[in-house]
Amino acid sequence: KNEVEQSPQNLTAQEGEFITINCSYSVGISALHWLQQHPGGGIVSLFMLSSGKKKHGRLIATINIQEKHSSLHITASHPRDSAVYICAAPMEYGNKLVFGAGTILRVKS
Amino acid sequence: GAVVSQHPSWVICKSGTSVKIECRSLDFQATTMFWYRQFPKQSLMLMATSNEGSKATYEQGVEKDKFLINHASLTLSTLTVTSAHPEDSSFYICSARAPGQGYSPLHFGNGTRLTVT
Repeated sequence: KNEVEQSPQNLTAQEGEFITINCSYSVGISALHWLQQHPGGGIVSLFMLSSGKKKHGRLIATINIQEKHSSLHITASHPRDSAVYICAAPMEYGNKLVFGAGTILRVKS
Repeated sequence: GAVVSQHPSWVICKSGTSVKIECRSLDFQATTMFWYRQFPKQSLMLMATSNEGSKATYEQGVEKDKFLINHASLTLSTLTVTSAHPEDSSFYICSARAPGQGYSPLHFGNGTRLTVT
């Protein structure tokens, strides 16, 4: 069983829809990463958070440490948001990241 | 913001040859860099942790003699795939952590797509 579980695996949305991607983890963490991987493969770090909520533009990330759960929300989704979204958590007390399997998001216009 | 540059972005090589991939931190010094591999439709898997001035730490199942890592300076780590075989064809990506207090953000290169024919 992967220590970082993401859902859903695939998500298709219509432009403008509000999108939520969930991540649950079993390892003890100091911070959780949300990453975006574009079709070409390049990875962009969207958020690193250890508590509460962070917002950047139309993206919002929340984390509940007690419940070991994080969510990534995209408001007013756009086709350019189509990508793979990955959550990752460092192994307890270490720098090694454990990655979720990723959520393939496709936003249709 | 911190940038990590990876080169080349793609490479095709013949079976039995070696390929070197470079990962550079452009505006910060990275004492530690990480190398990952990603097979199609799979998630990233950590291959090794590259430490400046010392030997890399390899994950279980990764052959250190096949995937040579050199981190000779604070801004450059290289991964050399030696005697490449078609099964080594994959997407390789590096990341580096910017220095700072506590747990600092990771920055990723754009990856290298290796095809071994």
